[in-house]
Amino acid sequence: ETGVTQSPTHLIKTRGQQVTLRCSSQSGHNTVSWYQQALGQGPQFIFQYYREEENGRGNFPPRFSGLQFPNYSSELNVNALELDDSALYLCASSLMRELYNEQFFGPGTRLTVL
Amino acid sequence: TQLLEQSPQFLSIQEGENLTVYCNSSSVFSSLQWYRQEPGEGPVLLVTVVTGGEVKKLKRLTFQFGDARKDSSLHITAAQTGDTGLYLCAVYNFNKFYFGSGTKLNVKP
Repeated sequence: ETGVTQSPTHLIKTRGQQVTLRCSSQSGHNTVSWYQQALGQGPQFIFQYYREEENGRGNFPPRFSGLQFPNYSSELNVNALELDDSALYLCASSLMRELYNEQFFGPGTRLTVL
Repeated sequence: TQLLEQSPQFLSIQEGENLTVYCNSSSVFSSLQWYRQEPGEGPVLLVTVVTGGEVKKLKRLTFQFGDARKDSSLHITAAQTGDTGLYLCAVYNFNKFYFGSGTKLNVKP
């Protein structure tokens, strides 16, 4: 059973550019969530996809968007990058349950915006 | 205001000591999770608690969910250097996940 993988590991962009981050879910999982984690903070929920539809979103502007594919892999797209977007971006996959989701995280993508 | 408040923010102790970290909220939850995150890695799920008053043990770690399901604690007995990391509590509420800001634990040899 393969775990959650993310690519790339590190990325440097300049302000105003666009970026796409990728995540491959754990086998058998149908839900993926994306998080932004600033240094020294807990992860902040960006959004969740279940069966290719967005079904939950945190307080992030529309320039943060995502996709989930039929094989349950996922992308996070960020347009018009700002300096404050510099952070560790984590994805987590899970099997949707009624009461709770037990998430399995990837190692993250470290994004630096200059 | 954060939905989940964790305390203490930082904790530095000697190997062999006991410690307790807390996760508090004014809201009621159907379940609560604890994760540990090491530098350069994603969080790893330790436990999910779902019943008020529930106690779960994972080797030297003891997790408790408050009777009113508003708070939780994590107690580590005889801490080891391998326990060093960021301990995070999290809840799933109305299709959103919320994490606390974490307790950064450093266990010195």
